Amino acid sequence: KQEVTQIPAALSVPEGENLVLNCSFTDSAIYNLQWFRQDPGKGLTSLLLIQSSQREQTSGRLNASLDKSSGRSTLYIAASQPGDSATYLCAVSLEGFQKLVFGTGTRLLVSP
Amino acid sequence: EPEVTQTPSHQVTQMGQEVILRCVPISNHLYFYWYRQILGQKVEFLVSFYNNEISEKSEIFDDQFSVERPDGSNFTLKIRSTKLEDSAMYFCASSELWGRNTIYFGEGSWLTVV
Repeated sequence: KQEVTQIPAALSVPEGENLVLNCSFTDSAIYNLQWFRQDPGKGLTSLLLIQSSQREQTSGRLNASLDKSSGRSTLYIAASQPGDSATYLCAVSLEGFQKLVFGTGTRLLVSP
Repeated sequence: EPEVTQTPSHQVTQMGQEVILRCVPISNHLYFYWYRQILGQKVEFLVSFYNNEISEKSEIFDDQFSVERPDGSNFTLKIRSTKLEDSAMYFCASSELWGRNTIYFGEGSWLTVV
């Protein structure tokens, strides 16, 4: 059974810092991995999608990497801003299945 | 940018009542999903729907639940005889295809069963 874990569970940083969020998964037979942002009481906003054949994806200040063999992904946020404060979720889709398996999330607070 | 819309945003219902949650997926998408998130817990997959039938479902999605695409735009989740433990945020999602495409989520419907 696929388990997805995210470390740290919570992170508090001052504005301007670069930071790394970690995601690990137990079954490397994934189809892709997706990073989401969730604001309190809100839906999930897709940030980046990495196919299993890719090593990384970039969008603006965000960069996500994938090491499928070791079961890890990282989300790098450059020059963090207070508006980045949210919970960040990673989710993997498994080969042969349509569902996403979500991680536990990292709650990020960026203070001015 | 196209988005997935859900109604209602919040519903309170008495235990044992039936609830229908509605969703309008993105118009050119072919795959539709329901997920739920119990307060403080992970987002969990319930069901996926393609070509007018369920293509995959989780252990959570038992006979109490059903999904339907009654017309060309709406996608509904029906929960029969609600229980207290059904209280959760229910997210509808859609994707153009499966696997290679981003899955887009709606804002969610918060269901409270009392």
